[in-house]
Amino acid sequence: AQSVTQPDIHITVSEGASLELRCNYSYGATPYLFWYVQSPGQGLQLLLKYFSGDTLVQGIKGFEAEFKRSQSSFNLRKPSVHWSDAAEYFCAVGLNTGGFKTIFGAGTRLFVKA
Amino acid sequence: GAVVSQHPSWVICKSGTSVKIECRSLDFQATTMFWYRQFPKQSLMLMATSNEGSKATYEQGVEKDKFLINHASLTLSTLTVTSAHPEDSSFYICSARDPGGSDQPQHFGDGTRLSIL
Repeated sequence: AQSVTQPDIHITVSEGASLELRCNYSYGATPYLFWYVQSPGQGLQLLLKYFSGDTLVQGIKGFEAEFKRSQSSFNLRKPSVHWSDAAEYFCAVGLNTGGFKTIFGAGTRLFVKA
Repeated sequence: GAVVSQHPSWVICKSGTSVKIECRSLDFQATTMFWYRQFPKQSLMLMATSNEGSKATYEQGVEKDKFLINHASLTLSTLTVTSAHPEDSSFYICSARDPGGSDQPQHFGDGTRLSIL
C-alpha cells in the first residue's frame, strides 16, 4: 500500500541554523511529491512540488527539496531558519490511480528557538 | 490570494444538530474537490472525494449518511455533518485541484473548526 513516512514528530532548531525535514514514501512508481506547511488553525500552503526532471526543487520562502529515487526520499531543506518558519510541515504523495488522490505524512512540527 | 474559500471558519453547535460547511473554488472550476478531517496534532485524513454532478467517493470507514457531500456546481462543494455529536468535533479542510492535468497540486481552504457541545 502507498504510504508517506515522516520519521520526526517534532524538530527544534535555532534561528539561523540549517534545517532538514525527512520524508520517505512507499509507492510502486515515481509519484508526485509535495511539501505543505500549516500554521495553527490554518489550511495548508504549498511550499514546493516535484513531478519530474531536476531532482532538486526550489520552493517558496527559501525552501528546497531533493528527490532521491534510490532512497525513496524527498527531504525538505532550508539553509537558514527564521522564527516565522515555526509551523507544521507535511510531506505528501499524489497518486493517480483511477482518480487523483493525495496521501499525507503524519507531519513534523518545527520549533525555532532564539 | 486565496483560490479556495471555506466557510464558516469556526462553528459551535449543540449535539444533534446538522452543520453545513461550504467549499468554493474562486479562480478555477473544480470538477473534483476533497474533504479532509484533521484531529489535533495529527495529519489530514481524506474523508471523501467530491465529484461535480455525481456521487462522492468515500474512504473506507467514513459514514456516508453521517457526512453528506454535495457538489452541485463546478465551484461549490458542501459537507453536511448530520446529527453531530461531540466525537465529530474536529478540523475539517477542503481542497480543490487545479484543472488541466494530474500533476497539479491541490489548493486548500483555511479549514473549519467544528465544536459540538
